[in-house]
Amino acid sequence: DIRVTQSPSTLSASVGDRVTITCRVSQNIDRWLAWYQQKPGKAPKFLIHQASVSESGVPSRFSGSGSGTEFTLTISSLQPDDFATYYCQQYNTYSTFGQGTKLEIK
Amino acid sequence: EVQLLESGGGLVQPGESLRLSCAVTGFYAMAWVRQAPGKGPEWVSSISTSGITTYYADSVRGRFTISRDNSENTLYLQMNSLRADDTAIYYCATLAYCGGDCSIRPFDFWGRGTLVTVSS
Repeated sequence: DIRVTQSPSTLSASVGDRVTITCRVSQNIDRWLAWYQQKPGKAPKFLIHQASVSESGVPSRFSGSGSGTEFTLTISSLQPDDFATYYCQQYNTYSTFGQGTKLEIK
Repeated sequence: EVQLLESGGGLVQPGESLRLSCAVTGFYAMAWVRQAPGKGPEWVSSISTSGITTYYADSVRGRFTISRDNSENTLYLQMNSLRADDTAIYYCATLAYCGGDCSIRPFDFWGRGTLVTVSS
């Protein structure tokens, strides 16, 4: 099975900050990685696929990068609506999600 | 816009069965994804648009069966031999960028979920 590890588990930041979340995968998945945002009591929201391709309607402050085994999600200037939990998902071999990164207000 | 509505969750005892349903507007390759309390999502099973091809996670293979009734626009998940570690919110979701038979893709649209609790 492909293991997916996100870091950090929790990230404290302020409105306007630039933040980066890292996702490491246990074997080469090329660029078959997606990112989601989840708020309490809601289903995950699909943000990015193929490591860096943003879905329609996703604000441009969200960007993804990486390939192989290491990937990042960057939010360039945090807005109040961005405080949530973020998950990465590999979909090279079936599917595995990371354990999540909770982005909280400092 | 795609709309998904799950139903059928509840409290059951270990070893019992439960069938989940998901009403869906449109015709898509579909999946069930679950999320245990405080954990990340976990893909459970996927099914092609025709219903002919199905895929399962190792954790549920042999116990769960995914199916669909395209005439009723409904997706199902039959869950047998339920265990405590099957406790989770179960979401139905559509497979992104998949026109028919895809083993796995990201999940672009999700329902609100239905809670399954397995406890004695």
